[in-house]
This record gives sequence, structure tokens and C-alpha cells, in this order.
Amino acid sequence: AQSVTQLDSHVSVSEGTPVLLRCNYSSSYSPSLFWYVQHPNKGLQLLLKYTSAATLVKGINGFEAEFKKSETSFHLTKPSAHMSDAAEYFCVVSYTGTASKLTFGTGTRLQVTL
Amino acid sequence: EAGVTQFPSHSVIEKGQTVTLRCDPISGHDNLYWYRRVMGKEIKFLLHFVKESKQDESGMPNNRFLAERTGGTYSTLKVQPAELEDSGVYFCASWDRDTGELFFGEGSRLTVL
Repeated sequence: AQSVTQLDSHVSVSEGTPVLLRCNYSSSYSPSLFWYVQHPNKGLQLLLKYTSAATLVKGINGFEAEFKKSETSFHLTKPSAHMSDAAEYFCVVSYTGTASKLTFGTGTRLQVTL
Repeated sequence: EAGVTQFPSHSVIEKGQTVTLRCDPISGHDNLYWYRRVMGKEIKFLLHFVKESKQDESGMPNNRFLAERTGGTYSTLKVQPAELEDSGVYFCASWDRDTGELFFGEGSRLTVL
């Protein structure tokens, strides 16, 4: 069965400093990987997705993630955090190549302080 | 263009009562999904519609849950009778097959007392 592990339930950074949200996945086959973000009282929004093209994926709002098969990782990064980045982030895996039956991580809540 | 719409946004009911959640997908999206997040746990797949047909309902927890999508437009998810463990946030999503992107609604929060 597919699974995804988000290594930190909470991450706190200062505004202007780098963000790193960690994600590892289990894999028997080539996965499709996604990062979603949920701001308070909002729906889940797609940040970026990896579907076996370039291993470094750029998303919206300055976020990017790198697919590392050898480490089975798909960590999310951003060079400089902004207050508006405070939200909950979900690493998601799918093995069907479509949007069917996504498997979500437990989420990482990002806090950004002044 | 309107996004995925869900209502109610929040429902509080007592154990044993019935609740119906509704989802209106983005117009033209044939694929519709329901997911659920129970407090403190990960978001889990419930079921998948293609138009009015259930493509995969392997995530439905038990027969107290009934999902329908008559006419292949909006979908409803009924919980009858509700139990305490049904509390959580129910998300609906529809899929754009041209871009491969899944669009989520804001969720319906269900509280069973």
C-alpha cells in the first residue's frame, strides 16, 4: 500500500528565513506526488505536483520541491517565508497517474513569526 | 468561474440524527471525489464518482454512509444515523482532466454530539 509521511507536525520560522517541510513516501511504483496547502477556512489548494518529468518542481508562491528517488523524499522548500505562508501543508501521493484515490500525509502546520 | 462549493459549511447534530452534505463540483467536471478528515488524523479518501456512477467506494467507512450523484452534477453524502466518530471535515473535490488538477471545496465540518 502506498503511504506518505510528513516528518514534522509543526514548523515555526521567522519571516524572511527559509522554509523546509519534509515528506517521505513509500513506493513500489513510480508515484505522482503533490503538495497542497490549506489556509484557515479555505479549501485545499494545489501548490505543485511531480509526475515523472523534471525532478525539481516549481509551484506557486515561490515554493518548490525536489523529487529524490534514492531517498524516497519530496521535501517542500521556499527561500524566504512570508507571513501569508502560515497555513497547513499536505504531502500527497498517488500511484494511479490520475487524481484518483490520493493518499495524504498528516499535515504540517507552518507558523511564521515576525 | 465558480469553484467547488460545499454546504453546509458547518453542521452540529446529535448522535442518531441524519445529516446530508452537498457538493457542487466545477461545471463540466465528470470526476467527483469525497474525502474526510477526522480530527487529528490524515485526510482519507471516501469515494469517487465518474458522472453519476460510483467508480470506487472502497473508502466508505460503513453502510451508514450513502453517496449519490443523480444526473451526474451535484453530489450528496448522507450519514444516517450519525455516530460520534463521524465528526470531522468532509471535503469534496472535482478533477479537471485537461490539466490533471484536483480542485477542493472548503469542506463541511460535521460535529456529532
